[in-house]
Amino acid sequence: QLQLQESGPGLVKPSETLSLTCTVSGGSISSSSYYWGWIRQPPGKGLEWIGSIYYSGSTYHNPSLQSRLTLSVDTSKNQFSLKLGSVTDADTAVYYCASTHCSSASCYLYFDSWGQGTLVTVSS
Amino acid sequence: DIVMTQSPDSLAVSLGERATINCKSSQSVLYTSNNKNYLAWYQQKPGQPPKLLIYWASTRESGVPDRFSGSGSGTDFTLTISSLQAEDVAVYYCQQYYNDPYTFGQGTKLEIK
Repeated sequence: QLQLQESGPGLVKPSETLSLTCTVSGGSISSSSYYWGWIRQPPGKGLEWIGSIYYSGSTYHNPSLQSRLTLSVDTSKNQFSLKLGSVTDADTAVYYCASTHCSSASCYLYFDSWGQGTLVTVSS
Repeated sequence: DIVMTQSPDSLAVSLGERATINCKSSQSVLYTSNNKNYLAWYQQKPGQPPKLLIYWASTRESGVPDRFSGSGSGTDFTLTISSLQAEDVAVYYCQQYYNDPYTFGQGTKLEIK
């Protein structure tokens, strides 16, 4: 059973870069069986997919965030990370990391394991 | 982008009664080559992350009670809870994974009447 845990600063200043890491246990981030993703939820609102990354570095980004977004994988630490630049208060949200389990042939981007989420507030 | 619209926004149902939540996509999420609908349902309880209930529109995730069922095809989908239990109070979301960006419905809040 995969377990995912987000970590990172809870407060980021406007125009700076939001950086979060997700640590994976119970499975290898280098496995071809998973895609790794980020989803966020502004307080009291719905869910927004941010992006997903494969162990090889192949990524999918939400076009609405693409110009500010960097996703990466660190296989040595069994972690994957998100960097979102030039943040504004609209980026205040609970950020979740999540996994997609892939079949032998393909990966389908629904999310079957989730971290508990971490609240990031953008404020000066 | 595919827009997912859920109805109703909120719903109050008596314990033991049926709850029905609808989800409509702005374009079909049925991939004709494999005849699969790229539609998932999640349950989110207060202070918790979403939990996957159903994928491929009607396949229950392992461990999900069989009172939860999904149906529909193309652009119109339904999540049904056959006999509402107290622990089912939550917000429910649909999600399409047919095309990126992968998008969610706005959520339906389910309460006890």
